[in-house]
Amino acid sequence: EDQVTQSPEALRLQEGESSSLNCSYTVSGLRGLFWYRQDPGKGPEFLFTLYSAGEEKEKERLKATLTKKESFLHITAPKPEDSATYLCAAHTGFQKLVFGTGTRLLVSP
Amino acid sequence: NAGVTQTPKFQVLKTGQSMTLQCAQDMNHEYMSWYRQDPGMGLRLIHYSVGAGITDQGEVPNGYNVSRSTTEDFPLRLLSAAPSQTSVYFCASSYARATDGYTFGSGTRLTVV
Repeated sequence: EDQVTQSPEALRLQEGESSSLNCSYTVSGLRGLFWYRQDPGKGPEFLFTLYSAGEEKEKERLKATLTKKESFLHITAPKPEDSATYLCAAHTGFQKLVFGTGTRLLVSP
Repeated sequence: NAGVTQTPKFQVLKTGQSMTLQCAQDMNHEYMSWYRQDPGMGLRLIHYSVGAGITDQGEVPNGYNVSRSTTEDFPLRLLSAAPSQTSVYFCASSYARATDGYTFGSGTRLTVV
């Protein structure tokens, strides 16, 4: 069974304190690994797609990396506006996205 | 460019009532899908469509119907609402290769009492 697990469930950081979120996956035939940001009361907002092991993508203070078993979302010098829930999803085939349960990030000033 | 528009934003239903959640996109995306989001669980796929006239079931399709008569619209019908269908529903759309990910609507929060 395809499965995506995110850790930690929640993470509290001080502004400027860098950290990483983990997304481990067990899927048959990974087509892509997506990262999304979700703010309270809103829909997920697309951040990155990673396709192959070793690939990295960056956007402002965020960098996503991919290995054959997991993906990391590195947050460098976070700001309070980075507070959100971060979701990862494995694209396993034709219109099939398997989501993790997310990491709730809180960045305090 | 509105993206993906969902209506209504909030709805309360009584057990046994039926209703339709509306979803429209203006990006000419081929793929559209419906997900539900429940506390402690990841987003789960209900139904999806790869183009007008073509739909298929996702992970949790029971109690829901869909149709896709146009590229733009993909309504989700609850046939006879049950308390287990209390959830937040998201509609999403993408191009065929999904290289830019899926674009999600802002969601419909449904409560069944």
